Amino acid sequence: QKEVEQDPGPLSVPEGAIVSLNCTYSNSAFQYFMWYRQYSRKGPELLMYTYSSGNKEDGRFTAQVDKSSKYISLFIRDSQPSDSATYLCAMRMTSGTYKYIFGTGTRLKVLA
Amino acid sequence: GAGVSQSPSNKVTEKGKDVELRCDPISGHTALYWYRQSLGQGLEFLIYFQGNSAPDKSGLPSDRFSAERTGGSVSTLTIQRTQQEDSAVYLCASSPRLAGQETQYFGPGTRLLVL
Repeated sequence: QKEVEQDPGPLSVPEGAIVSLNCTYSNSAFQYFMWYRQYSRKGPELLMYTYSSGNKEDGRFTAQVDKSSKYISLFIRDSQPSDSATYLCAMRMTSGTYKYIFGTGTRLKVLA
Repeated sequence: GAGVSQSPSNKVTEKGKDVELRCDPISGHTALYWYRQSLGQGLEFLIYFQGNSAPDKSGLPSDRFSAERTGGSVSTLTIQRTQQEDSAVYLCASSPRLAGQETQYFGPGTRLLVL
């Protein structure tokens, strides 16, 4: 079993829809949670970063962490065709290591 | 300012040959990572350099893989005796490693194809 599981998709939604992307993980020591966006043939770029549990909002994006369920989510409101990309979750344990474990990524397609 | 750059962009090689992939991190970034991205596999951690500390090599898949970072800046990932399963996109990332700063800045990657 992988430490971080993520549905690869693809996920197709109409423009304006609310998108929910998720990852589950098995290591309860993970404390730092990130979402990256990767456009085709580009390197990933950081979207959201959350420490421990809770919610974080940035514009149309909301990140949620539920440590009791070992489940993290990224919500995209009012999705746009420009949001079409692969979304990767990443996480790491507390201080002592800066090794990040990434999910496989979910391909999202927002249809105009 | 300039981002992370990687060279070459694409590399086609024959099975059994050695290849060197280069990463130029953002100036002043003390942390440097190498990842491998294969279809459907996500980003696989390979190695991590932090300042003058010993690198974390725990992700290197075999002893055919090695990496060095000279002068705390440029890094080279070397794959010896390449195999077809080494075909993937190799991504480099750097980070300033400041308190509360988790961002990794990725380069565009090197696409390696082993025939």
